[in-house]
Amino acid sequence: AQSVTQLDSQVPVFEEAPVELRCNYSSSVSVYLFWYVQYPNQGLQLLLKYLSGSTLVKGINGFEAEFNKSQTSFHLRKPSVHISDTAEYFCAVRPESGGYQKVTFGTGTKLQVIP
Amino acid sequence: DTEVTQTPKHLVMGMTNKKSLKCEQHMGHRAMYWYKQKAKKPPELMFVYSYEKLSINESVPSRFSPECPNSSLLNLHLHALQPEDSALYLCASSLASGAYNEQFFGPGTRLTVL
Repeated sequence: AQSVTQLDSQVPVFEEAPVELRCNYSSSVSVYLFWYVQYPNQGLQLLLKYLSGSTLVKGINGFEAEFNKSQTSFHLRKPSVHISDTAEYFCAVRPESGGYQKVTFGTGTKLQVIP
Repeated sequence: DTEVTQTPKHLVMGMTNKKSLKCEQHMGHRAMYWYKQKAKKPPELMFVYSYEKLSINESVPSRFSPECPNSSLLNLHLHALQPEDSALYLCASSLASGAYNEQFFGPGTRLTVL
């Protein structure tokens, strides 16, 4: 079984400041890793994903994440946030192999950008 | 067309009503999903359809009945719901059901059961 931990339920940050949203996971098998963003009253949108290769992954809207296998982490970063980044962010994992594999989501981190 | 659409956006229903949620995609995806999301919680998988056949049912109560009439459409029929079923219902699709396939989510239907 897999689990995803997002320790920070809320992260307030001033506009144009950098931000890091933390994600740690636990799994007995290799997993693919994802970050999704959910704006108020909307569905989820994929920000970025790690499948293989370079451990630094760049996504949309200026976000990037680094996969650290030894620390089982996949933290999301942005060097300068905008008001429009205010949203809920979900980290997720999915086992690589075997038939259908369910996505396991973290509990989410609400990013609040302060003007 | 790179989006998943869902109708209606909002739905209020009584516990004795029968209603349906609709989801549509025209990306040629062959896997479609229903998720339920309660406030301030992550989405929870309900059903997975692969090539129009139900492949996963996450022990969902029978008052929720999914249907996949064709490769572009996914319905969720609702009957005799309870107030605790109030939630945001999200539809998603992916090229196939394999783990590396990105899931594209619709905007959701916000359901209130009175």
